Amino acid sequence: DAEITQSPRHKITETGRQVTLACHQTWNHNNMFWYRQDLGHGLRLIHYSYGVQDTNKGEVSDGYSVSRSNTEDLPLTLESAASSQTSVYFCASSASSYNEQFFGPGTRLTVL
Amino acid sequence: EDQVTQSPEALRLQEGESSSLNCSYTVSGLRGLFWYRQDPGKGPEFLFTLYSAGEEKEKERLKATLTKKESFLHITAPKPEDSATYLCAVQANDYKLSFGAGTTVTVRA
Repeated sequence: DAEITQSPRHKITETGRQVTLACHQTWNHNNMFWYRQDLGHGLRLIHYSYGVQDTNKGEVSDGYSVSRSNTEDLPLTLESAASSQTSVYFCASSASSYNEQFFGPGTRLTVL
Repeated sequence: EDQVTQSPEALRLQEGESSSLNCSYTVSGLRGLFWYRQDPGKGPEFLFTLYSAGEEKEKERLKATLTKKESFLHITAPKPEDSATYLCAVQANDYKLSFGAGTTVTVRA
């Protein structure tokens, strides 16, 4: 069955370290998204991609970067982790802009 | 700026006690309104998409409706397994989703 996976599921890191969160989907979807979810807030869009070599900034992109070298993967990099980036991160994908997004299981990141 | 407000924040129900969740929105050109269910420690799970005012969709004990300013998620005769956080999201002309903060529903047996 097609699915979307994220790794690691839990990560603890220190302030200033570079961290990369992986997202892999086997739906063969063109569109992929990264969100963060914090208590009291809805899911907030970090970065998104509409295809290979395409990346775009979302509403909370500062301190994050992504790259899309193939259809299946969209890794999210925190260049220099900050305590404000402690959150739960979700990756999602969709077949097109009109379709629903399917979400991964999430990565809980703690920055000490 | 697109805004999505969900109410109430939390809802406690007895098994069989029907109720409704509200999602009010302001958006520049609504492409679609999405409902998701999220269980603790998991990613959101897609439930419905509504595209135009007056549209309704049903799945088991859930029914979603849409007007020009808000959407309702009706839960009829809920069971404990309906306990979850329900998220509403709107898609505007730029095709990006804006999510509300969610309503956490707890159904007691």
